[in-house]
Amino acid sequence: KNQVEQSPQSLIILEGKNCTLQCNYTVSPFSNLRWYKQDTGRGPVSLTIMTFSENTKSNGRYTATLDADTKQSSLHITASQLSDSASYICVVSALTGANNLFFGTGTRLTVIP
Amino acid sequence: DAGITQSPRHKVTETGTPVTLRCHQTENHRYMYWYRQDPGHGLRLIHYSYGVKDTDKGEVSDGYSVSRSKTEDFLLTLESATSSQTSVYFCAIRERTGATGELFFGEGSRLTVL
Repeated sequence: KNQVEQSPQSLIILEGKNCTLQCNYTVSPFSNLRWYKQDTGRGPVSLTIMTFSENTKSNGRYTATLDADTKQSSLHITASQLSDSASYICVVSALTGANNLFFGTGTRLTVIP
Repeated sequence: DAGITQSPRHKVTETGTPVTLRCHQTENHRYMYWYRQDPGHGLRLIHYSYGVKDTDKGEVSDGYSVSRSKTEDFLLTLESATSSQTSVYFCAIRERTGATGELFFGEGSRLTVL
């Protein structure tokens, strides 16, 4: 069964600290994995995409990693800011089909001053 | 920002009444999706469309119907709203389904069924 699991469900960190969010998946055949950021009251927005051949990709203070062998991805946030407070959703795409997207339930990150 | 507009953004209705949510896009993308988002469940697919008049069910389609008569519009209808359909509904569009097929989401429609 195609599933995506994220951990932790929620996280509170001090401003300026780093944190790492986890995503484990069983989607097969795998195409790509995206991390989305969803601010409160807004729709999700893509942060980064990881394809099968990519191990690490950075987008500013966000760094995503992918281990296709263990089917795990992480999103590392460096020097957190108050604006990083949001939900982070991992979405894995299978190779084929219009309905080929599998969603994690998200990690709710709160950055406090 | 991708041109996606959802309407209404907020609606309160009573059990048993029909409700229609509209998603309008200006990107000419082929694929359109309706999701609902609930605490503890994340985003769950209700229905999706892969072209004009081409639609299919998602994992939580019971009690919902959709229509797509034009590329730019995708309507979600609750024939007889129930309290369990209280949720935030998101429309999303996608140009293609491959690796570069990013989902672009609307701002959401918050529906409360009393």
